[in-house]
Amino acid sequence: AQSVAQPEDQVNVAEGNPLTVKCTYSVSGNPYLFWYVQYPNRGLQFLLKYITGDNLVKGSYGFEAEFNKSQTSFHLKKPSALVSDSALYFCAVSVGSSNTGKLIFGQGTTLQVKP
Amino acid sequence: DAGITQSPRHKVTETGTPVTLRCHQTENHRYMYWYRQDPGHGLRLIHYSYGVKDTDKGEVSDGYSVSRSKTEDFLLTLESATSSQTSVYFCAIGGGGSGELFFGEGSRLTVL
Repeated sequence: AQSVAQPEDQVNVAEGNPLTVKCTYSVSGNPYLFWYVQYPNRGLQFLLKYITGDNLVKGSYGFEAEFNKSQTSFHLKKPSALVSDSALYFCAVSVGSSNTGKLIFGQGTTLQVKP
Repeated sequence: DAGITQSPRHKVTETGTPVTLRCHQTENHRYMYWYRQDPGHGLRLIHYSYGVKDTDKGEVSDGYSVSRSKTEDFLLTLESATSSQTSVYFCAIGGGGSGELFFGEGSRLTVL
C-alpha cells in the first residue's frame, strides 16, 4: 500500500535558523511528491513538487526540498526560518501518474518558529 | 487565489439527516476533488471528478455520494450523516497530468 510518513508532529526552530521538516514515502513506481502548507482556518497552499529531474526542488517562500530515492525521502528545508513560516505542513504523494490530484497525505507537521 | 468557493462554511446537523456541501469553481478546470481533514490523518480523498458526470471513488468514499452536472459545480452529499463524518471538508481543483491542487477554504461539519 502506498503511504506517506511525517515522523514529527511538531518542529520547533528559532527565527533565522535553518529548518527541516521530514517526509518519507512508500509507493510502487516513480513517485510524484508534493509539499503543501496550511495556515489556521485556511485551505492548503501548494509549496513545491518533484515530478522528475533535479533532486533539489525549489518552491515558494524560499522553501526547497530534496528528493532522495535510496532513502525514499522528500524533506522540506529552508535556510533561514521566519516567524511567519509557522504553520501546518503536509507532504503528499500522487497515487496515479495520470492524475496528480489523487494524493496520499502525511499526517502533517506543525512548524513553530520562535522569535 | 484560485476561484473556489465552498458552501456552507460551517454547519451543525444531527445524526441521520442529509447534508450537501457545494463546491463552485470559476477556473473551468476539468478535475475536482473532495477531501476530508481529521487530526492525525492528514487529508483523505473522498471522491473526485474528471469531467461533467464523470466521478470516481477515493480512499474513504463510504457514506458519501457526489454529483457534477456542470463543470463549475461539484456537490458532496451525506445521505444520512453520522458522528464519524464530523470533519473539515475541502474541495480542490487541479491535478490532472502533473499539476498541483488548489484548495477551497473548507467546510466545517459537526454531526451531533
